[in-house]
Amino acid sequence: QVQLQESGPGLVKPSETLSLTCSVSGASINNYYWSWIRQPPGKGLEWIGCIYFNGDASYNPALKSRVSMSIDTSKTHFSVTLTSVSAADTAVYYCARGSITAVADWGRGTLVTVSS
Amino acid sequence: QSALTQPAHMSGSPGQSITISCTGTSSDVGAYNLVSWYRQHPGTAPKVLIYEDNKRPSGISNRFSGSKSGNTASLTISGLRAEDEADYHCSSYAGGKTVVFGGGTKLTVL
Repeated sequence: QVQLQESGPGLVKPSETLSLTCSVSGASINNYYWSWIRQPPGKGLEWIGCIYFNGDASYNPALKSRVSMSIDTSKTHFSVTLTSVSAADTAVYYCARGSITAVADWGRGTLVTVSS
Repeated sequence: QSALTQPAHMSGSPGQSITISCTGTSSDVGAYNLVSWYRQHPGTAPKVLIYEDNKRPSGISNRFSGSKSGNTASLTISGLRAEDEADYHCSSYAGGKTVVFGGGTKLTVL
């Protein structure tokens, strides 16, 4: 049973950079897509992007200029960075396994608040 | 790439069947057999109910079924139960290795 755990700061200042890491246990990071998905308070889900184990990444066109993802297969974790954040980026951020076909496994999510 | 359209709220009584729609375009829902449906209870992560339009993962009740017609996908829940009260989200592959979600539907079981 794969387990995913998000980690990172819960508070980020406007215009700064948000960085989160997802630790993967119980499964190999190889041969899967790994995703980041966020959910603003009281709103629906928004796909941020995904990264394949070989490092090939795809991003939401609306966020593409500000987002990047990386993956460390030897340490079984992957990360997301979002630059120039604003209050609109306040959300629960989920890391997950899967992407295009379906997202089968989700982390518990971590709330990131953008505020000065 | 615009969000898929779902009704914001729906309600039903125990035992009834209910169908939630998810409308996209010919570039996402209508182009690929890659619609997924998720259920999310308050304060928890979503859980996949349906993938590839109409397939159920192991362990998901056959009370949940998925279908699609043109640019609109649907999730039908039969024999509504109290535990079905939750938010339901659809998603679709949108080409270029990107995914788009719907705005979510809050289902109330009366």
